[in-house]
Amino acid sequence: GESVGLHLPTLSVQEGDNSIINCAYSNSASDYFIWYKQESGKGPQFIIDIRSNMDKRQGQRVTVLLNKTVKHLSLQIAATQPGDSAVYFCAENTGGFKTIFGAGTRLFVKA
Amino acid sequence: DAGITQSPRHKVTETGTPVTLRCHQTENHRYMYWYRQDPGHGLRLIHYSYGVKDTDKGEVSDGYSVSRSKTEDFLLTLESATSSQTSVYFCAISPSAGELGDGYTFGSGTRLTVV
Repeated sequence: GESVGLHLPTLSVQEGDNSIINCAYSNSASDYFIWYKQESGKGPQFIIDIRSNMDKRQGQRVTVLLNKTVKHLSLQIAATQPGDSAVYFCAENTGGFKTIFGAGTRLFVKA
Repeated sequence: DAGITQSPRHKVTETGTPVTLRCHQTENHRYMYWYRQDPGHGLRLIHYSYGVKDTDKGEVSDGYSVSRSKTEDFLLTLESATSSQTSVYFCAISPSAGELGDGYTFGSGTRLTVV
């Protein structure tokens, strides 16, 4: 499959545990944040998003937390499964079409 | 990747030749984007479109042009391919520009090798 990154930060978790993937964003003017998942050989897949006027948003087995004070975003995955193994990207948007993607974090789930 | 198709999936071309990549959507989304993905650089925006015949440059647009003559098709052209344009190219679509819940839908990508 396509090479996503050679030296990505890596998180390894046991199946069934909760995963927390962190992201520091750069622009204090960013008002919209998104998490994507990319499996080997595939395009990124939208997971969940949050706006700057929110601190927390929940989806199915996923929660995104936003801390604007320290410009930090996190993705929590509950009861991590082998199918969650992938590279996870955070992205920030300052309005309009300028969405900036982070370098990504590789998640390994051990059975 | 329901609703969005990229072609070709793989292409090898020679330096100096023009190359066109195609993105086709069946979602009737207004916004379309071309990104390239390279190790160490993540995803970078090349060009985007906010409607038929309405396009604009992204952060790495040099050496690329785009066209959108109808809602469903967004073409990316490398005018004269160079080795630095060897990459994986992704097309993405979205129904809005930054509305909650309207994250991008990406295609499966085109792996382009310029020799």
